[in-house]
Amino acid sequence: LAKTTQPISMDSYEGQEVNITCSHNNIATNDYITWYQQFPSQGPRFIIQGYKTKVTNEVASLFIPADRKSSTLSLPRVSLSDTAVYYCLVGDGQAAGNKLTFGGGTRVLVKP
Amino acid sequence: GAVVSQHPSWVICKSGTSVKIECRSLDFQATTMFWYRQFPKQSLMLMATSNEGSKATYEQGVEKDKFLINHASLTLSTLTVTSAHPEDSSFYICSAPDLQGKILHKNTEAFFGQGTRLTVV
Repeated sequence: LAKTTQPISMDSYEGQEVNITCSHNNIATNDYITWYQQFPSQGPRFIIQGYKTKVTNEVASLFIPADRKSSTLSLPRVSLSDTAVYYCLVGDGQAAGNKLTFGGGTRVLVKP
Repeated sequence: GAVVSQHPSWVICKSGTSVKIECRSLDFQATTMFWYRQFPKQSLMLMATSNEGSKATYEQGVEKDKFLINHASLTLSTLTVTSAHPEDSSFYICSAPDLQGKILHKNTEAFFGQGTRLTVV
């Protein structure tokens, strides 16, 4: 499984855009990039997944450059309720038996 | 999305007793489920893979005789922490991938239970 590196923490203010970059230099051809969000005392929740270029859903956007060695999760206009830990995972779900290996995550604090 | 339910949400037990945690997939069948443990301010650590109808697969360093896993049906996996001690106090989380209709080789989205806070006193 590809190792991921992301900032330990980030602070932001309500209404701002938050961008979290994840490095995954040894990503493999079949690997997908998936982001999960975890609130305190809750299980993680799937946010977004992508393979290349840009993916957007109602919650976030995921930007993946051509070399796929990094990815950026973009949260538009955050609110206090977006305070959470965000995890970047890289892997080929099928090949890994659908196991998910979590790295350290990025603790995002949204201030009023 | 699919729903995974965990029970109980929290439990306090005395040292030396055993505690059972249930993980149910409510609207899909899960031949495989995963159990994680999370200590405060730390990331999730995979403990074991629960396989329906067969033995669980444990990650290195996880004692299989202490953390008993049973996956007797396609919608239920249980984790029993036997002879619990204060150092077993943690947040236990289960997950299941919803494999139905997924594109081959696409990284499967996983659905997580709400977690169980275990405190051993």
